[in-house]
Amino acid sequence: ETGVTQTPRHLVMGMTNKKSLKCEQHLGHNAMYWYKQSAKKPLELMFVYNFKEQTENNSVPSRFSPECPNSSHLFLHLHTLQPEDSALYLCASSQDPPGRVGRDEQFFGPGTRLTVL
Amino acid sequence: AQSVTQLGSHVSVSEGALVLLRCNYSSSVPPYLFWYVQYPNQGLQLLLKYTTGATLVKGINGFEAEFKKSETSFHLTKPSAHMSDAAEYFCAVSGQGAQKLVFGQGTRLTINP
Repeated sequence: ETGVTQTPRHLVMGMTNKKSLKCEQHLGHNAMYWYKQSAKKPLELMFVYNFKEQTENNSVPSRFSPECPNSSHLFLHLHTLQPEDSALYLCASSQDPPGRVGRDEQFFGPGTRLTVL
Repeated sequence: AQSVTQLGSHVSVSEGALVLLRCNYSSSVPPYLFWYVQYPNQGLQLLLKYTTGATLVKGINGFEAEFKKSETSFHLTKPSAHMSDAAEYFCAVSGQGAQKLVFGQGTRLTINP
């Protein structure tokens, strides 16, 4: 595997389900990100991790719970979602020096298309 | 705070014609500027970026963009459109210091045969 991979690519879940999205980067980067991409809004940054420590949470509802066990893996745990949470969830990674995480080029995975019924 | 405005959510050009996608930014510090492309069912891929130095930046697939500070613009161009250029294009800005990457709303490019 190369680059940034995401699984599953498609997910359909009910509002009472619990599911997880997985992201893995094979680039040796130190920072990882979750973005939400919906039809009528720009890319929304959700969470930022640097060396597996969360450095940013952009007021994301608690029904989204990220986990970063190491610098290569990032998860997004989902529970009791709403239909408006249906979107493409993109993971990205970057190699940034301290103090500049999130300012330079990011490498994106293909995304997980989530549908909440 | 930084922001990006992409003029035109949809742009349609004929194959072989000039492609021009417009991006204007707002930044309180010297900006870093990016163009990304997203093909259907894929993630974003970097086309080109400007950080410092030469204001005309060449990217992949024949695209280029010019940083114009006086106009706060970073428009993306390609002299001759190809059918494979059909995709969504995103302009993004970050900056020196604490400003993270902020994306525009995207422009969907359609190529007519």
